[in-house]
Amino acid sequence: NAGVTQTPKFQVLKTGQSMTLQCAQDMNHNSMYWYRQDPGMGLRLIYYSASEGTTDKGEVPNGYNVSRLNKREFSLRLESAAPSQTSVYFCASSVLSGRGEGEQYFGPGTRLTVT
Amino acid sequence: SQKIEQNSEALNIQEGKTATLTCNYTNYSPAYLQWYRQDPGRGPVFLLLIRENEKEKRKERLKVTFDTTLKQSLFHITASQPADSATYLCALPSSGGSYIPTFGRGTSLIVHP
Repeated sequence: NAGVTQTPKFQVLKTGQSMTLQCAQDMNHNSMYWYRQDPGMGLRLIYYSASEGTTDKGEVPNGYNVSRLNKREFSLRLESAAPSQTSVYFCASSVLSGRGEGEQYFGPGTRLTVT
Repeated sequence: SQKIEQNSEALNIQEGKTATLTCNYTNYSPAYLQWYRQDPGRGPVFLLLIRENEKEKRKERLKVTFDTTLKQSLFHITASQPADSATYLCALPSSGGSYIPTFGRGTSLIVHP
């Protein structure tokens, strides 16, 4: 199993450009998440998808859109990149127990710089 | 929503000693709490989950305690090794009944040989 994969690993954008970050998991997990991680800020949830066909906003959704393409894939789109979106982006997936618990499996991250 | 506090200062210890990291939370008592390890340039990796009715949980050299009265979890690594050097994150449900975790900012552990 590859686990959670993300592409690209690195990206440099100019202000105003758009791009899509791709994420896929092969663990048959229902739930998928997008986080950003900034120095001193920790992991912050951007969007999540509890199951195929549903998406919900997290803590910091402004400037982003997501698509849950199928059970395996969850993409994050920046329509008009801004320097404030310079960050490391992590995708994660989880399977929830009946108690609502779920350990998260993270991808390797995408390091995005917006100039 | 939940507020999580982890020591932002790095913890430096000598190899062979026990490392103890702290996670404090301020709002409602969560049904469970998780600990993750993150190495530089990599995504977090799940280590342990402890439930509210469990006082302590162990996995190899790792031990986690959960004190709902103090609103605190302690994460211990016994017989620490330089390979244990990493950032350790705690995570709790973002609100009552939620399965969405909120992560602390993490504490960096540096184990010196």
